[in-house]
Amino acid sequence: EAGVAQSPRYKIIEKRQSVAFWCNPISGHATLYWYQQILGQGPKLLIQFQNNGVVDDSQLPKDRFSAERLKGVDSTLKIQPAKLEDSAVYLCASSLNADTGAQYFGPGTRLLVL
Amino acid sequence: QQQVKQSPQSLIVQKGGISIINCAYENTAFDYFPWYQQFPGKGPALLIAIRPDVSEKKEGRFTISFNKSAKQFSLHIMDSQPGDSATYFCAAKWGAQKLVFGQGTRLTINP
Repeated sequence: EAGVAQSPRYKIIEKRQSVAFWCNPISGHATLYWYQQILGQGPKLLIQFQNNGVVDDSQLPKDRFSAERLKGVDSTLKIQPAKLEDSAVYLCASSLNADTGAQYFGPGTRLLVL
Repeated sequence: QQQVKQSPQSLIVQKGGISIINCAYENTAFDYFPWYQQFPGKGPALLIAIRPDVSEKKEGRFTISFNKSAKQFSLHIMDSQPGDSATYFCAAKWGAQKLVFGQGTRLTINP
């Protein structure tokens, strides 16, 4: 079974530029999550999708971050414009459904904002 | 209430020893407690998980001990090996709510 795929793996941008990350979850997983992991900290949930609907985006900085999962499969997370403090690893995870508990993470995209 | 507090921040154990990482929580609604292992440059990988209706779960060299009354749970790694050197995160959630993570423990196993 293929795992969660993410791209790109690394991205370096200047502040105020925009960037987009892509995630393809494990086949059949209805729930998809985007997390932000700052160096030395645990992952923090940004947004949770159930199929193509948003379940929780309470910690998403909506003035600059957006995410979509239009067909209920893959998803993109965008930052526009980026700030220095957005430098982090962006992790995508998926689960069969939100109640099962077990979430499976992708390798992450490491973003550096200069 | 939404926090999970993890300790220690870093831990050094000799090869063959027992590694113990502790977590504490406040929210009694939590009903799922997983542990994740993360190697540098990789995403967290689910290691083992427990629900509060059992006090212990063992998978190979990894054991979760759960104390519901104290609202604490811990990960024990028996016969620790250099390949176990990684960062470990405890986490907690309830129902369809979000997973909240501890701050992580950087474990180093000395050969």
